[in-house]
Amino acid sequence: NAGVTQTPKFQVLKTGQSMTLQCAQDMNHNSMYWYRQDPGMGLRLIYYSASEGTTDKGEVPNGYNVSRLNKREFSLRLESAAPSQTSVYFCASSRAGGGTGELFFGEGSRLTVL
Amino acid sequence: GEDVEQSLFLSVREGDSSVINCTYTDSSSTYLYWYKQEPGAGLQLLTYIFSNMDMKQDQRLTVLLNKKDKHLSLRIADTQTGDSAIYFCAESGGNNDMRFGAGTRLTVKP
Repeated sequence: NAGVTQTPKFQVLKTGQSMTLQCAQDMNHNSMYWYRQDPGMGLRLIYYSASEGTTDKGEVPNGYNVSRLNKREFSLRLESAAPSQTSVYFCASSRAGGGTGELFFGEGSRLTVL
Repeated sequence: GEDVEQSLFLSVREGDSSVINCTYTDSSSTYLYWYKQEPGAGLQLLTYIFSNMDMKQDQRLTVLLNKKDKHLSLRIADTQTGDSAIYFCAESGGNNDMRFGAGTRLTVKP
């Protein structure tokens, strides 16, 4: 099983450009998440989708949009990139409704905004 | 908001025990977790503990929870160079609300 797959792994953007990070999971999980990881700050939740057809804001949603395309796929879009969005982005999924709430993470997408 | 705090760095000698500490503020936490992140990779669950437990042992790993003080620790016995990684403490009430600490970078010296 591939688990959680993110693309691209690396991206360099200029300020004001737009891009979409793609994420797909093959574990039939209901919930999916986008986090950003910054040095000394741990992981902060950007958006999550508790189930297909729903999305909700996390701790740091400004400047981002998301789409839960189907049960497998959850994309993160930067409409007008800013240097403050330079970060490593992680997609994660979990089985909702019981269990330990364990999150399964992708390998990350390193984004640099110049 | 609710916080999860942990020290940023720990250095130990190979064969010694490592203890990584974490404090959290949310008294309604149901689960507490330790995740491991190796270079260039995503986080992987190392172990977890229910909030009604005091201790959990899994091979070289021992998790201690002091719910009164909201303090969680991870002890790694006989630490090996392969244990060098960033270790994240996290807590959750079980409702899409997992919160992470900043991560402790463990360096194991031969």
